[in-house]
Amino acid sequence: EVKLVESGGGLVQPGRSLKLSCAVSGFSFNDYWMGWVRQAPGKGLEWIGEINQDSRTINYTPSLKDKFTISRDNAQNTLYLQMSKLGSEDTAIYYCARLQWAGMDAWGQGASVTVSS
Amino acid sequence: DIQLTQSPSSMSASLGDRVRLNCQSSQGIGKYLSWYQHKPGKPPKPMIYYATNLADGVPSRFSGSRSGSDYSLTISSLKSEDTAIYYCLQFDEYPPTFGSGTKLEIK
Repeated sequence: EVKLVESGGGLVQPGRSLKLSCAVSGFSFNDYWMGWVRQAPGKGLEWIGEINQDSRTINYTPSLKDKFTISRDNAQNTLYLQMSKLGSEDTAIYYCARLQWAGMDAWGQGASVTVSS
Repeated sequence: DIQLTQSPSSMSASLGDRVRLNCQSSQGIGKYLSWYQHKPGKPPKPMIYYATNLADGVPSRFSGSRSGSDYSLTISSLKSEDTAIYYCLQFDEYPPTFGSGTKLEIK
């Protein structure tokens, strides 16, 4: 069974950093591109970025490029999202997902991040 | 960035109805469009990829079509469990962009 499980979410103060993890199982992690998507309260889905199998190619939505860093550890079957200088606009559910067929064919349950003092 | 315009933004239909959800791209994206069903408290569920291909486990009452830059997700006979927000996603040009969603409810 393909499983993606995010962790590391929670309440964080404005201006601080937070790192999310996405542990995967049930498939060969190092064969796939992986990505992150978020959904702010009452809003639609927003693409954050993606990373290829060997971490040599990492792309970000331009408006988020300076705030987020995507990485992966293939030995640990884990994807990461480092978020910095967080603001209230970053309050959202963050999803990790497996990329396939020009889309995302498997998703985690999501990690909730709330930025508030 | 490529804009995806979904219509209608919301709709309600009766059980058994044929329902068509639309997604129009601001420029050509070929087959690189997928559809996702999103229910509250759950992650998005892939429904259609490459504009017309049914994702694994998706009931055959769902189908995807394309005419130029216009894409549709059709439900042939609406069931109660189809209540959700449906999003389209283009992956032809970077950055990938989602439509704003269509909220589908049962009358």
